[in-house]
Amino acid sequence: NAGVTQTPKFRILKIGQSMTLQCTQDMNHNYMYWYRQDPGMGLKLIYYSVGAGITDKGEVPNGYNVSRSTTEDFPLRLELAAPSQTSVYFCASSYSRWGPYEQYFGPGTRLTVT
Amino acid sequence: KQEVTQIPAALSVPEGENLVLNCSFTDSAIYNLQWFRQDPGKGLTSLLLIQSSQREQTSGRLNASLDKSSGRSTLYIAASQPGDSATYLCAVLETSGSRLTFGEGTQLTVNP
Repeated sequence: NAGVTQTPKFRILKIGQSMTLQCTQDMNHNYMYWYRQDPGMGLKLIYYSVGAGITDKGEVPNGYNVSRSTTEDFPLRLELAAPSQTSVYFCASSYSRWGPYEQYFGPGTRLTVT
Repeated sequence: KQEVTQIPAALSVPEGENLVLNCSFTDSAIYNLQWFRQDPGKGLTSLLLIQSSQREQTSGRLNASLDKSSGRSTLYIAASQPGDSATYLCAVLETSGSRLTFGEGTQLTVNP
């Protein structure tokens, strides 16, 4: 299994541009999550999904959108990029949020907005 | 609002030393607590998950304990090795299951 994969690994955006960060998991997990990690900080939840067609906001959703059309994919869309969105973005998945089910993380996308 | 604090922020030890990393949280109404490892420029790897009803979990040289009533968890690493050098993050899942709140991490360096 490849686990959780993310593309691209790095990206530089100009202010006002838009882009989609891709996330795919091959573990047939129902739950998927998007986090951002700012330098020297812990991770903050942006959006999460409990299954195809169902998404919900996390702690810092402003400036982002998500969709979940399949179990495997959970893309994160940035509209009108701002310097405050410069961060490392991690996608994660888990079988369930209940029980002893840990979250598996992708390698991250490092985004710079200038 | 749940807040998670990790002390120390950074730790440097000689190889072979036993060490303890600390994690505290403000709201004891948690579902579980996880310890993660993050290598530079990489994603997170789950090390141990402790359910709220459990007191500790062990994996190899790692032992994590949980005292929910006092809002504390510790990660004990025995006989540290240079390969243990990484940032260690703890995170608590609230009882609703909708939010995993992370601490800022402890950056560990094990010197040969």
